[in-house]
Amino acid sequence: DQQVKQNSPSLSVQEGRISILNCDYTNSMFDYFLWYKKYPAEGPTFLISISSIKDKNEDGRFTVFLNKSAKHLSLHIVPSQPGDSAVYFCAASGINDYKLSFGAGTTVTVRA
Amino acid sequence: GAGVSQSPRYKVAKRGQDVALRCDPISGHVSLFWYQQALGQGPEFLTYFQNEAQLDKSGLPSDRFFAERPEGSVSTLKIQRTQQEDSAVYLCASSQGQNYGYTFGSGTRLTVV
Repeated sequence: DQQVKQNSPSLSVQEGRISILNCDYTNSMFDYFLWYKKYPAEGPTFLISISSIKDKNEDGRFTVFLNKSAKHLSLHIVPSQPGDSAVYFCAASGINDYKLSFGAGTTVTVRA
Repeated sequence: GAGVSQSPRYKVAKRGQDVALRCDPISGHVSLFWYQQALGQGPEFLTYFQNEAQLDKSGLPSDRFFAERPEGSVSTLKIQRTQQEDSAVYLCASSQGQNYGYTFGSGTRLTVV
């Protein structure tokens, strides 16, 4: 039962342009959302998060938007850089829950 | 150490063999988690420790899977009588508390042949 879905397995974007990654969830009890970035042969590393009381959180080139009514979040990377080429995972958890539910990931390739 | 360390990085096991995967969390981190990541999928929760206590093992896929953290630091995930469907990357993560951000290790890639 996939509670977090990333429907785009891959995304190719030109260097300097915007990357938009999407994530949908089904569990209305989720209240905390995270994005992780993963390079080959490494573990996922935390990128940015947002709690359900907000609809936007920004950290440098990375912005996460949350639309609770649509159960949808997105990650914007502006401008995209070659080092951003990686797999990005969307994850979610409930109130005071330690478990994370992950999506299947989106592979981003930034073209020079 | 500075990060979460997992060993071995790669393990090839013959079907039916027992394996043990080790995780060294960040020093002082109370919480430790194991996740399983199958090819092309996101990580899936296996089990959670708070210090030496295993508070949640609901994600362990069968009774062939066993995890321990006897002294509240290093943890071992053991898989008995491995099957092909056990082939995956096993990720360990630690955090200061259950509601703090995780730090993941690089994982152990298990291939059962």
